[in-house]
Amino acid sequence: GESVGLHLPTLSVQEGDNSIINCAYSNSASDYFIWYKQESGKGPQFIIDIRSNMDKRQGQRVTVLLNKTVKHLSLQIAATQPGDSAVYFCAENMNSGGYQKVTFGTGTKLQVIP
Amino acid sequence: GAVVSQHPSRVICKSGTSVKIECRSLDFQATTMFWYRQFPKQSLMLMATSNEGSKATYEQGVEKDKFLINHASLTLSTLTVTSAHPEDSSFYICSAAPSSGGAISDEQFFGPGTRLTVL
Repeated sequence: GESVGLHLPTLSVQEGDNSIINCAYSNSASDYFIWYKQESGKGPQFIIDIRSNMDKRQGQRVTVLLNKTVKHLSLQIAATQPGDSAVYFCAENMNSGGYQKVTFGTGTKLQVIP
Repeated sequence: GAVVSQHPSRVICKSGTSVKIECRSLDFQATTMFWYRQFPKQSLMLMATSNEGSKATYEQGVEKDKFLINHASLTLSTLTVTSAHPEDSSFYICSAAPSSGGAISDEQFFGPGTRLTVL
């Protein structure tokens, strides 16, 4: 189920290094996964998605890895930039009762150190 | 790309009053829209799924009489927080799933959010 905490885990990364943000999802029936970036006071912004029939997908500077065996998702950001500083959420999408239902993970705050 | 707008972006109201928040899909039609609530330093929690022309589906623990949802057209859903109290203060975010030819996209596009403060 959904887990919600009062303190977001924080990942601090030096500018130019690679970042890896991890996420554990709960429902083995979920078939579509999305990573979102949320800047302070704004709505979530789509980064990359992956379907359950894949284990890796690459975008521009970002890669998502899916391990269905252990229900784990990761987001890799190459050459992290100050503009990447934000909160990152993984989300699992499942067909529930005939419509798509998205459940968000707890979130990880990424701080890029210049 | 698909754009979703929300109005207002922030609102301050007195306890006991009602507040309406609009969610619009600007360049696509959406049979289904979703309403989320986000408290500070927490994740987005789905409140309800809004379906055009039918009743909304509420998540467990969300009072349907307090959070009224109307999805009157394929581009507009509204959330009304009735008799608002300070504990309703939160960031309310909507999303819309494009629909075409009866099919609904998996992908959701999110609005910028509405900051509600109840005094």
